[in-house]
Amino acid sequence: AQSVTQPDIHITVSEGASLELRCNYSYGATPYLFWYVQSPGQGLQLLLKYFSGDTLVQGIKGFEAEFKRSQSSFNLRKPSVHWSDAAEYFCAVVGGGATNKLIFGTGTLLAVQP
Amino acid sequence: GAVVSQHPSWVICKSGTSVKIECRSLDFQATTMFWYRQFPKQSLMLMATSNEGSKATYEQGVEKDKFLINHASLTLSTLTVTSAHPEDSSFYICSARDSTGWGKLFFGSGTQLSVL
Repeated sequence: AQSVTQPDIHITVSEGASLELRCNYSYGATPYLFWYVQSPGQGLQLLLKYFSGDTLVQGIKGFEAEFKRSQSSFNLRKPSVHWSDAAEYFCAVVGGGATNKLIFGTGTLLAVQP
Repeated sequence: GAVVSQHPSWVICKSGTSVKIECRSLDFQATTMFWYRQFPKQSLMLMATSNEGSKATYEQGVEKDKFLINHASLTLSTLTVTSAHPEDSSFYICSARDSTGWGKLFFGSGTQLSVL
């Protein structure tokens, strides 16, 4: 079955430290990949997406993600975290072929220490 | 940019009543709309996919008679929770895209439903 995995449920980093949030997927073809951020009680904000081309994708708020086909991964990174980055982060995937659904991972809750 | 407007933002209702949530695309034609449900501290679970003018396709385990979805126009989809019960309390989020594909996918701000 198609799936999206975010292995880390909760991550705490210090402000100014680097960040990497993991995302793995299981699809046969190259999927479309997304990262969203959600603040408590709010909707979703798109950080970045990958459809094809350069496997290193730049997004908003200083985030980037790298698609690695060999590892079926699309990890999100930021070189220096700000306190305002504390939120829930979701990786989402549209599978290949006839799939017409955007499926979300379980999410990673990011806490930022001063 | 394109915006999806979702109303109401929150609603409280009595058990047994029905609640309608609206999702509107403001400046594009939403040929496909998606409805998600999110329990506290959990991920978004796809409930159904609707294409304009067609019946919605529901995910396994979602009761189509309880969660009525209407997508009668290219700018409006509605989700009606019929005979709501406390276990239906959740955060509901819609999303919409046009016919060009996944490059233009937008989310509503969500509706918090509380059933007493």
